[in-house]
Amino acid sequence: DAKTTQPNSMESNEEEPVHLPCNHSTISGTDYIHWYRQLPSQGPEYVIHGLTSNVNNRMASLAIAEDRKSSTLILHRATLRDAAVYYCARTQGGSEKLVFGKGMKLTVNP
Amino acid sequence: DARVTQTPRDKVTEMGQEVTMRCQPILGHNTVFWYRQTMMQGLELLAYFRNRAPLDDSGMPKDRFSAEMPDATLATLKIQPSEPRDSAVYFCASGSTGLRTDTQYFGPGTRLTVL
Repeated sequence: DAKTTQPNSMESNEEEPVHLPCNHSTISGTDYIHWYRQLPSQGPEYVIHGLTSNVNNRMASLAIAEDRKSSTLILHRATLRDAAVYYCARTQGGSEKLVFGKGMKLTVNP
Repeated sequence: DARVTQTPRDKVTEMGQEVTMRCQPILGHNTVFWYRQTMMQGLELLAYFRNRAPLDDSGMPKDRFSAEMPDATLATLKIQPSEPRDSAVYFCASGSTGLRTDTQYFGPGTRLTVL
């Protein structure tokens, strides 16, 4: 199965770091790992993506396991605006087709 | 602020009726994706285009669904005839690429309800 797996939900506190895990045990060597997040009644929003090396951008960091079977999205200081459903996705077959997991609801407590 | 636009935002129709959803990708983007989101199945890719040519529609029920790009500023997804199981939120996304699309920009979606 090409789908990724994530916990259903997580809670964090405002201004603390959050680590969101994802498993993609069947990923191939040319498939990218992507993260998107979705607010209610909106379309998904791109967060970050990577292939092998850890990646950083203004929104988050992506840590990819050495065997690439799992990855972790890191929000360095969670804010209330980070509360959303976070999707871990992977490309498939070396194409740009994205296969999304079920998503994980992140709750940020003030 | 460039955005993907989708119309209509909400559509309620009766079983058997034709439904057409429209998407305007971000100007200059050459790749367009259609997704369907349901509680049970999550986000599923239906089809995608590059430079208006269909690259993959393997996720789309062929007997009733069709996707086209009449021009670079318009993508359409049509269901004929519609069925209650087609009720979902349909998202369009666009991206820009030379060889591959890394970032997909999603529209706000069309919420379809088939009675």
